[in-house]
Amino acid sequence: DAKTTQPTSMDCAEGRAANLPCNHSTISGNEYVYWYRQIHSQGPQYIIHGLKNNETNEMASLIITEDRKSSTLILPHATLRDTAVYYCIVKGHTDKLIFGTGTRLQVFP
Amino acid sequence: DTAVSQTPKYLVTQMGNDKSIKCEQNLGHDTMYWYKQDSKKFLKIMFSYNNKELIINETVPNRFSPKSPDKAHLNLHINSLELGDSAVYFCASSLESGEAFFGQGTRLTVV
Repeated sequence: DAKTTQPTSMDCAEGRAANLPCNHSTISGNEYVYWYRQIHSQGPQYIIHGLKNNETNEMASLIITEDRKSSTLILPHATLRDTAVYYCIVKGHTDKLIFGTGTRLQVFP
Repeated sequence: DTAVSQTPKYLVTQMGNDKSIKCEQNLGHDTMYWYKQDSKKFLKIMFSYNNKELIINETVPNRFSPKSPDKAHLNLHINSLELGDSAVYFCASSLESGEAFFGQGTRLTVV
């Protein structure tokens, strides 16, 4: 019952920006957009989240459209270590975290 | 210091056995979770505890019983293990609202 749609896979050249899209057309007013990633054989790792404003931290930037129906996670300078499955998750602040199938990002040299 | 730690990292056991996986977090969080990731890589929530009380119990066989002796620990006990229980089990913790921190996982193999 994931509420988001993401491409199955994407490629990105090392050093270039990786832009990962996510559609969440049924998002409600009190729901946040969260991004996590899972590097092979590791536990999921929180990246960033936002409500309606764009957000930036040391890992990534999150751009949310004005109507909030879609968003883009930006890794400004992808490295090989960014190869992972990226999950876009929509949830209320105290709701459980439900993972979809995510986008498998492959960063190549 | 590891924020969320699980033991063991690997567990191989025979069908029918009973086993436990331990989880501890040193973040002072009040909510802890167990997730299961199967061979197809789907991550599914199993249980959630808030301040030692069960909050979420997804459709999980009652052979799986979580136990929270205190806020910092959430252990998972599994009775009568079956082949289909083979998976990677992740423990996580969070404040009631906010980002979740995950352990490194326990790879359970039932033979």
